[in-house]
Amino acid sequence: EVQLVESGGGLVKPGGSLRLSCAASGFTFSNAWMSWVRQAPGKGLEWVGRIKSKTDGGTTDYAAPVKGRFTISRDDSKNTLYLQMNSLKTEDTAVYYCTTDVVGAGVYYFDYWGQGTLVTVSS
Amino acid sequence: SYELTQPLSVSVALGQTARITCGGNNIGSKNVHWYQQKPGQAPVLVIYRDSNRPSGIPERFSGSNSGNTATLTISRAQAGDEADYYCQVWDSSTDVVFGGGTKLTVL
Repeated sequence: EVQLVESGGGLVKPGGSLRLSCAASGFTFSNAWMSWVRQAPGKGLEWVGRIKSKTDGGTTDYAAPVKGRFTISRDDSKNTLYLQMNSLKTEDTAVYYCTTDVVGAGVYYFDYWGQGTLVTVSS
Repeated sequence: SYELTQPLSVSVALGQTARITCGGNNIGSKNVHWYQQKPGQAPVLVIYRDSNRPSGIPERFSGSNSGNTATLTISRAQAGDEADYYCQVWDSSTDVVFGGGTKLTVL
C-alpha cells in the first residue's frame, strides 16, 4: 500500500524558513517522480514543483510563485522527499501535499497524495 | 499561459446524473485528469487520461473530452459524492494546470 506522510508544517514569520518532509513507503521511491502541491485555505489546488527520479536526471521544476525561494530534494536512501521553503510570504500559507507522479507523452498527473501538512506564515 | 475554467458549483438530485465541466482552449487535444476532495481530506484521483478510472473508483464516475470542454459525469449521485472536484492537465508551456474547482452538492 502506498503511503505518503508529510511533516514539518507549522507557524513561521514572514521572511522565515521551513523544511517539510514526506516519508514514502509501499513503492520504489527511487524510481518515482514526486511533486508538492499546495492549497491555500478555502482555495483550489496549486502545483508547487517536482523532482524527477535520479535515473531521469534528478532535476527539479518549480511554479513561478515559488521559483528561487523553494527547493525540492530527495534522499532515496531514506525514501524521503523534502521541500525547503525560504523567504516565506503570507501568501505561502497553505496545506502542502506530496504526491507521486505519473508521467508519459503529454501526460502528467498525481496518483497518490499524502494527508498534507499546514504551513502558516504570519507575524 | 494555459487556463482551465470550472463552474463554482453544481447541484444534483439524489440518484440523478451530475455533469461537471472543465473548459480550456482545445482541451480535447490534451489529457485531462479529475480529482475528488472531500472536506478535510486530501484529493483522490477519480479519472485519468480523460476517461479511465483507477481501481476502487465506482463505475458511476466517467469522463469525456472533446473540443474545448472536458466533462466529469457522476451517475446515480449519492450523498457521499458531495465534494470539490478539480480537473488538471499538463501543458507544454505552462506545465501542470489545475482548474479552480467545482463544489458538488447532492440535494
